[in-house]
Amino acid sequence: DSGVTQTPKHLITATGQRVTLRCSPRSGDLSVYWYQQSLDQGLQFLIQYYNGEERAKGNILERFSAQQFPDLHSELNLSSLELGDSALYFCASGPSGSFDNEQFFGPGTRLTVL
Amino acid sequence: AQTVTQSQPEMSVQEAETVTLSCTYDTSESDYYLFWYKQPPSRQMILVIRQEAYKQQNATENRFSVNFQKAAKSFSLKISDSQLGDAAMYFCAYRSYTGNQFYFGTGTSLTVIP
Repeated sequence: DSGVTQTPKHLITATGQRVTLRCSPRSGDLSVYWYQQSLDQGLQFLIQYYNGEERAKGNILERFSAQQFPDLHSELNLSSLELGDSALYFCASGPSGSFDNEQFFGPGTRLTVL
Repeated sequence: AQTVTQSQPEMSVQEAETVTLSCTYDTSESDYYLFWYKQPPSRQMILVIRQEAYKQQNATENRFSVNFQKAAKSFSLKISDSQLGDAAMYFCAYRSYTGNQFYFGTGTSLTVIP
């Protein structure tokens, strides 16, 4: 158990819909990272938040957005869903400071778009 | 942009034998971090080993060791005395020293044969 929690574990929805994925980081970690893992593209970094502010952005679509709240939990919002958005979405957290060099991954949320 | 390449989509090893997983990367930076992550069937990502680029000594964690060749931009993982529990997907990852970007390879699926 990494200490990172994600809800829900599974999510099934239809094309065009909007969903929200939630992540709670390890106690004391200020950074939250979001990743998408699909069969054809492997593990893709989406976005990172640090202490409530966006720190780094990867291959995140404009239909996707994220935020980190004062209690440090984070939400990833996916809208206008397409079949290709079906994937496993991981959240990871890291310790505070500029040189945190380790990420602790949550169990993931499996999203199925029908 | 940094890229990470894992050229072996699948590997297999006999129990108790040794296997080496390959990883190469491309970067123009001189300082960075490299990681190997394990993703078992439970889908959670587990840090196996990490290497700081400024350290010449290869990292070792019990049965896991790396062969870090900085000039060749190669970072292979050696698993000794393979166990059934080592069966998983293994991801190689790169992180820049000053930034918070992570780049992952596409993974190598390791099967351990009893």
